[in-house]
Amino acid sequence: QVQLEQSGAEVKKPGASVKVSCKASGYTFTDYYMHWVRQAPGQGLEWMGWINPNGGGTNYAQKFQGRVTVTRDTSISTAYMELSRLRSDDTAVYYCARGDVAVGFEYWGQGTLVTVSS
Amino acid sequence: EIVLTQSPGTLSLSPGGGATLSCRASQTVSSSYFAWYQQKPGQAPRLLIYGASSRATGIPDRFSGSGSGTDFTLTISRLEPEDFAVYYCLQYGSSPITFGQGTRLEIK
Repeated sequence: QVQLEQSGAEVKKPGASVKVSCKASGYTFTDYYMHWVRQAPGQGLEWMGWINPNGGGTNYAQKFQGRVTVTRDTSISTAYMELSRLRSDDTAVYYCARGDVAVGFEYWGQGTLVTVSS
Repeated sequence: EIVLTQSPGTLSLSPGGGATLSCRASQTVSSSYFAWYQQKPGQAPRLLIYGASSRATGIPDRFSGSGSGTDFTLTISRLEPEDFAVYYCLQYGSSPITFGQGTRLEIK
């Protein structure tokens, strides 16, 4: 069965960086794009970007351009999302989600809470 | 950027009744790349409908989606207690990918 296992919660200070991992299993990692979506406390869902694990191509939302970097390690079927120059309003749950052209985001990770606080 | 506007913001209904949730797009959205999600507190979103009207695996037939162009609807009939949650629409045919702001379905 398809599973996306994310790394644990993080607490960071403003200005720091955070790197969240998403380990995929149950399917061929390079066959599907991996997306990152975040959700601030009590707020809606916000798409951040994707990576094509087959080749490493990326696409980011304009809002995060220059601060977000999505990478992957195909040898361990893991995608990473790094967000730099953190601010308090980056406090959110960060999700990875497998992208499928036919159905959208069918499989999601469990989410990783990133708290930015001085 | 395609803006998705969901209405109403909150819907208060009783179990057993029916619910109609709306999602309006600022530009034409391809139905093939339009989906609905359900999210409960502390959980990741769950795919309900893809391709505007196809139910995802394991989704009961109480859930149905319709619409095209700029207007899409999620209909839930015979509301069960577990249906009370937040619902989001999503378009992923145009970059950037965008979500609606959500409709909260609460028990009246």
